[in-house]
Parts: sequence; C-alpha cells; structure tokens
Amino acid sequence: AQTVTQSQPEMSVQEAETVTLSCTYDTSENNYYLFWYKQPPSRQMILVIRQEAYKQQNATENRFSVNFQKAAKSFSLKISDSQLGDTAMYFCAFILDQAGTALIFGKGTTLSVSS
Amino acid sequence: DSGVTQTPKHLITATGQRVTLRCSPRSGDLSVYWYQQSLDQGLQFLIQYYNGEERAKGNILERFSAQQFPDLHSELNLSSLELGDSALYFCASSVTEDGLLYGYTFGSGTRLTVV
Repeated sequence: AQTVTQSQPEMSVQEAETVTLSCTYDTSENNYYLFWYKQPPSRQMILVIRQEAYKQQNATENRFSVNFQKAAKSFSLKISDSQLGDTAMYFCAFILDQAGTALIFGKGTTLSVSS
Repeated sequence: DSGVTQTPKHLITATGQRVTLRCSPRSGDLSVYWYQQSLDQGLQFLIQYYNGEERAKGNILERFSAQQFPDLHSELNLSSLELGDSALYFCASSVTEDGLLYGYTFGSGTRLTVV
C-alpha cells in the first residue's frame, strides 16, 4: 500500500524568508502524481503545485517550487518570499496513475508566517 | 468558487442518528470522491464514484454508505452516529485533461458535529 509521510508537524518562518516542507512517500509503482495542497483557516483545500513522476524537471508555480527526488521518494515544497497569507496547513498527496485509485494525503504540516 | 457544491455547510446531530451529506460535482465531471478530515488530521479517503458506479473504496465504515445519482450528484449517508464521527467531510472531483491528472477540486466541506 502507498503511504505519504510528512515529518514536520509544525513550522514557522518570518515574512520574506524561505521555508521548505518535507514529504516522503512509499510506492513500488513507477507512474504516479504528487501534489501539495494548502488548507488555510477557512478549511478550503487549495491546490498549490503538482508533479508528474515521469518528469524529472521540478515543478514551479510562482513562489512555490518542489524538489522531486524519485529514487529517494522525496517531494519537498519550497516557499520563497513567504507571506502572511501563506499561513496554513500544507498537505502532501500521492496518487497512482491508475483507474480505481484515489489521492492519499499525509498528515500535514502547519506553517505559521509571522511579521 | 471551486464549482463543487456541498450541502449543508454545518450539521449538528445527536449520537445514534443518521444524516445525509450532499455533493454536486462541477458541471461535466463524472467523478466524486468523499474524504473525512477529523480534528487536526489529514484527509482520509472514504469512497469514489464514477458515472454512477463505485470505483474505489477506502477506509469507509460499514455504518457509512454513498451513492451517485444519474444527475451525477452524490450523497454520503452516515448512520448510528458516534461522537468520533465528528469531522469535516469533503467531496472532490478529479480534474483531467488529455489523459493527465491535474488534481482534485474540493468542495468547501460539511462540518458534522455529533453531540
């Protein structure tokens, strides 16, 4: 069975600084997708960034980028120039590229950005 | 607005009771996923429907059931409710294009409180 592990329950960072959230996953399959979702205090689930496992190039979305290490089964999220609005719970998620599967989430990392 | 509509937003009920949560996916989306998020926990996958048929099953209790109707809306039925069933229940649709998965779009959730 596939698992997703986020080893940092809480992190804090100052505005304008850079922070990296860690995620590891376990699978014996080769084709899959990885995602980072943000859940602010409103509890809405917001997609931050996605990565296709067959692509070696790391995904970037504005201030958000990932470090995807397929051999190490690691998928970390880097937030640059942190903003107060980045304060949220961040979830790493994994899904096999197969029908009949669903997104599996890690337990999340609570990120606090302070001024 | 994600386009995925969940009702009601809040529900308070007593132990032993039965409730129904409703989800309407985005127009044209055939898939519906149900997730449970207990306090300060990650999202646990419950069940998936695709075009009216059950496609995948996760950690769904026998007291819980779901269905997807011809108009593609879905209902999650929770019966013999216990205090531990208090949680945020999310519905989601998968976003795909040209065979690639771009993520899930989530509704705003139903907050269930069992007293």
